[in-house]
Amino acid sequence: QVQLQESGPELVKPSETLSLTCTVSGGSITSYYWSWVRQTPGKGLEWIGYFYHSEGTKYNSSLKSRVTISGDTSKNQLSLKLASVTAADTAVYYCARGGRWGNFDYWGQGTLVTVSS
Amino acid sequence: QSVLTQSPSASGTPGQRVTISCSGSGSNIGSNTVNWYQQLPGAAPKLLIYLNNQRPSGIPDRFSGSKSGTSASLAIGGLQSEDEADYYCAAWDDSLSGPVFGGGTKLTVL
Repeated sequence: QVQLQESGPELVKPSETLSLTCTVSGGSITSYYWSWVRQTPGKGLEWIGYFYHSEGTKYNSSLKSRVTISGDTSKNQLSLKLASVTAADTAVYYCARGGRWGNFDYWGQGTLVTVSS
Repeated sequence: QSVLTQSPSASGTPGQRVTISCSGSGSNIGSNTVNWYQQLPGAAPKLLIYLNNQRPSGIPDRFSGSKSGTSASLAIGGLQSEDEADYYCAAWDDSLSGPVFGGGTKLTVL
């Protein structure tokens, strides 16, 4: 059974960088696409980007200038960095397996990140 | 503003059949497959339907999906109280070169 667990700071100051890690068990990140998706009350679900071991990364064009997604195959972890955050980046952040074609079949529980001073 | 359009709410009584719609355009639903997610309160989204009408293992056949042109629908038959949740559609968008979601439909079981 594939399981995903997000971890990272719950509070980030404006203009700083949001950093999250997703630890994957029951499956290898060297296979499949692995995505970050966020959910806000105002904008609903928003795909941030994906990592695909043999292809690299792809990002949502609206966030591309601020996002970095990477994979650590030795730890079987996915990471997300979002720079220069504002209050609009306050959201529940999920890691999920999939993303190509819009189908995400496994999700982490999600972690609420609040941007506030 | 979501790329895919869903009605904000829907409702039905136990045992009834309910349909939730999702409208898009030629660059998303019109040229790619549709997926549906169920999100129970306080939980992560759960894949309900993929490739327009396929159910992952463990999803009851009360849930069914269909697509026609640039629109898609999720039907829930034999409505149960535990079906009360938010439902989202999603599809790849060729113009945006990424997956896009609907704004979600809140289903209330009366």
